Amino acid sequence: KNEVEQSPQNLTAQEGEFITINCSYSVGISALHWLQQHPGGGIVSLFMLSSGKKKHGRLIATINIQEKHSSLHITASHPRDSAVYICAVRLNNAGNMLTFGGGTRLMVKP
Amino acid sequence: DAGVTQSPTHLIKTRGQHVTLRCSPISGHKSVSWYQQVLGQGPQFIFQYYEKEERGRGNFPDRFSARQFPNYSSELNVNALLLGDSALYLCASSPQGAYEQYFGPGTRLTVT
Repeated sequence: KNEVEQSPQNLTAQEGEFITINCSYSVGISALHWLQQHPGGGIVSLFMLSSGKKKHGRLIATINIQEKHSSLHITASHPRDSAVYICAVRLNNAGNMLTFGGGTRLMVKP
Repeated sequence: DAGVTQSPTHLIKTRGQHVTLRCSPISGHKSVSWYQQVLGQGPQFIFQYYEKEERGRGNFPDRFSARQFPNYSSELNVNALLLGDSALYLCASSPQGAYEQYFGPGTRLTVT
């Protein structure tokens, strides 16, 4: 079993829809990252969380440490949001090493 | 300021050859991490270097090695290439004492 599980693996939405991507992990962590990867490979860091909730524009990330679960929400989705969204965790006592989920491939149709 | 840069962007090698990939961190960042991303999967941690010392190593064979130079740039070396080494190799840098990682565009390696 992977230490970091994401769901769904693939998601297709219509423009304007509210989107939720989930991430569950099975070990103690010091932080959780949400990353965005566009075709071609470049990765952009969206959020780094250790507790609570963060918001940036139309993106919201939440984390529940007790339940070992995080969600990434996209409000008023747009075709330019189409990308792979990756959850990554920094395990306790693992320095700066990240353990990644398999990613969620999002396609937003106009 | 320039972001993390990697070279080359694309590379094609033959089985058995070796390859050197390069990464320049953001100015002022002293930590560099390397990740391998096979098509359709999430990245896998290979190495982390901080202040020229190896601080972490993932589950990769000894064919993989890396080093960090005094200017904090880094090289990833892979010997005796296998078809399964075909992947996107990502470099990420982070500032001293902080954990936010900034990723480079990656080097896409194809082994034929």
